[in-house]
Amino acid sequence: SQTIHQWPATLVQPVGSPLSLECTVEGTSNPNLYWYRQAAGRGLQLLFYSVGIGQISSEVPQNLSASRPQDRQFILSSKKLLLSDSGFYLCAWSGGGSYEQYFGPGTRLTVT
Amino acid sequence: GEDVEQSLFLSVREGDSSVINCTYTDSSSTYLYWYKQEPGAGLQLLTYIFSNMDMKQDQRLTVLLNKKDKHLSLRIADTQTGDSAIYFCAESDNDMRFGAGTRLTVKP
Repeated sequence: SQTIHQWPATLVQPVGSPLSLECTVEGTSNPNLYWYRQAAGRGLQLLFYSVGIGQISSEVPQNLSASRPQDRQFILSSKKLLLSDSGFYLCAWSGGGSYEQYFGPGTRLTVT
Repeated sequence: GEDVEQSLFLSVREGDSSVINCTYTDSSSTYLYWYKQEPGAGLQLLTYIFSNMDMKQDQRLTVLLNKKDKHLSLRIADTQTGDSAIYFCAESDNDMRFGAGTRLTVKP
């Protein structure tokens, strides 16, 4: 069966520090991968999606970037965090010609 | 752009039925979904319905789709305290769009 992992679960970082959040998927190959940010009272905001290694599409301009160095690995990064980057970040995958997305446990990021 | 809208809060008593409503604007939606998010956790896919269906039932969950009115609902029968969570409606054609989530509170 397929599983999706995210780490760390929680992170507290000072403003201006770098960020690296990692997401890995097991049990499937060539998944579509997604990074979302969730804000209280608002829907999920799609940040990035990837249909293959090295292929990244950005949905909104921001202080973040994404990379996919391996088929089942998706990384969310920032060179310098802003206070507004605080939030709950979710990674998701889809595949096999199916639309439904399956989510990881999320990372709670607090920028101080 | 396309929108998905839900009311933000719903409170019910244990044992009652809960009905969570959702409206969407994209007439080309192929699938519609309900996700459940428990505190501090990721989203769990509860159920989904194909756009040419009117209803889908899965144990205590009933999904109703009115495609003409672009209205989707999730009914939870015999609601339990463990059902307390945020429920997200989502729709997709090529992209997936989520509502803001409805926080369901179940009172004993």
